[in-house]
Amino acid sequence: EAGVAQSPRYKIIEKRQSVAFWCNPISGHATLYWYQQILGQGPKLLIQFQNNGVVDDSQLPKDRFSAERLKGVDSTLKIQPAKLEDSAVYLCASTPTGTADYEQYFGPGTRLTVT
Amino acid sequence: GDSVTQMEGPVTLSEEAFLTINCTYTATGYPSLFWYVQYPGEGLQLLLKATKADDKGSNKGFEATYRKETTSFHLEKGSVQVSDSAVYFCALSDSGGFKTIFGAGTRLFVKA
Repeated sequence: EAGVAQSPRYKIIEKRQSVAFWCNPISGHATLYWYQQILGQGPKLLIQFQNNGVVDDSQLPKDRFSAERLKGVDSTLKIQPAKLEDSAVYLCASTPTGTADYEQYFGPGTRLTVT
Repeated sequence: GDSVTQMEGPVTLSEEAFLTINCTYTATGYPSLFWYVQYPGEGLQLLLKATKADDKGSNKGFEATYRKETTSFHLEKGSVQVSDSAVYFCALSDSGGFKTIFGAGTRLFVKA
């Protein structure tokens, strides 16, 4: 079966510009996660969707970050305007159900550099 | 809140050496514990997991035992290979079972 797809793989933007990342989870997976992984750190959850509803967005900087999963399938994460500290790898993951006891399947990530 | 602490890297070993990567956790309730691995240029993938105390997770020659009394989940392998060079992340599911919390990762280099 196809894995989690993400695009683009790399993006370089200047501060104050906007950027969008796309994720297509494994077919049939109800839960989708977006993580931010800063160099030298572990992934930090930004937002979790169950189908097309938000389960947890407590660590999403809502003044500049937004995410949607309109049809309960693929998802878009947007940053507007970007700051230097947003430079990181943005990971998308999915699971069949909503509990974290199950293995998460990760995409290859999008590496964002803000200059 | 819940947290995971793992040993800092990088860890550099010669091929066939014994590997231990320490991981301790703080959590309320009874979390599930995981080791994920990230090979160069690839996404994170599950290496092994344990869902209750005294469970041992194992895969590809790696093992980790869920020790509730010491709140630890150390990763071990008896004989590492060059192909094991990667970043290893210890993680737990929080007490509600809805969120996974990752450690900072430990980079392993294995020399031929």
